[in-house]
Amino acid sequence: KQEVTQIPAALSVPEGENLVLNCSFTDSAIYNLQWFRQDPGKGLTSLLLIQSSQREQTSGRLNASLDKSSGRSTLYIAASQPGDSATYLCAARGTGTASKLTFGTGTRLQVTL
Amino acid sequence: SAVISQKPSRDICQRGTSLTIQCQVDSQVTMMFWYRQQPGQSLTLIATANQGSEATYESGFVIDKFPISRPNLTFSTLTVSNMSPEDSSIYLCSGRPGGNEQFFGPGTRLTVL
Repeated sequence: KQEVTQIPAALSVPEGENLVLNCSFTDSAIYNLQWFRQDPGKGLTSLLLIQSSQREQTSGRLNASLDKSSGRSTLYIAASQPGDSATYLCAARGTGTASKLTFGTGTRLQVTL
Repeated sequence: SAVISQKPSRDICQRGTSLTIQCQVDSQVTMMFWYRQQPGQSLTLIATANQGSEATYESGFVIDKFPISRPNLTFSTLTVSNMSPEDSSIYLCSGRPGGNEQFFGPGTRLTVL
């Protein structure tokens, strides 16, 4: 059974800092890994998706990497802004057409002025 | 990408009643998913809904409590039956247009008194 863990659970950084969020998964047989952002009381916004054959994906100030063999993914946020404050969730998708996402526990990020 | 809407966005219900949540996707999706997010926790998959067949429920969730309809490729409903305060959660629907990246609706915040 896949288990996904995110470290740290919470993080507070001053505006402008670069930061890294970590995601680890126990079963390396994944189809892809997806990073989401969730604002309080809201749904999930997809940020980046990395296929199992890829090493990284970039979108603007965000860069996600994937190391399947070690069961790890990282989300790098450059030049953080107060608007980046949210909970970030990673989710690993198993293989097979009916595969489901297994979510991590989330990292609550606060970017201060 | 896909735009997913849900109705209602929030509701306050009395114990013992039922609530039906509607989910509409702006494109056709083969598989739709229903999740529950209890306060302060990550997402838990309730069931996977395919058009034209019965939904597949995850361990701990049963059809009598969470009946699901999937009449076509863009619409689904989830009913929370015989509600108790423990059912107070955010309920989210999700879909994979194109079969790869997964998108989420804004969620329905349910409070049961």
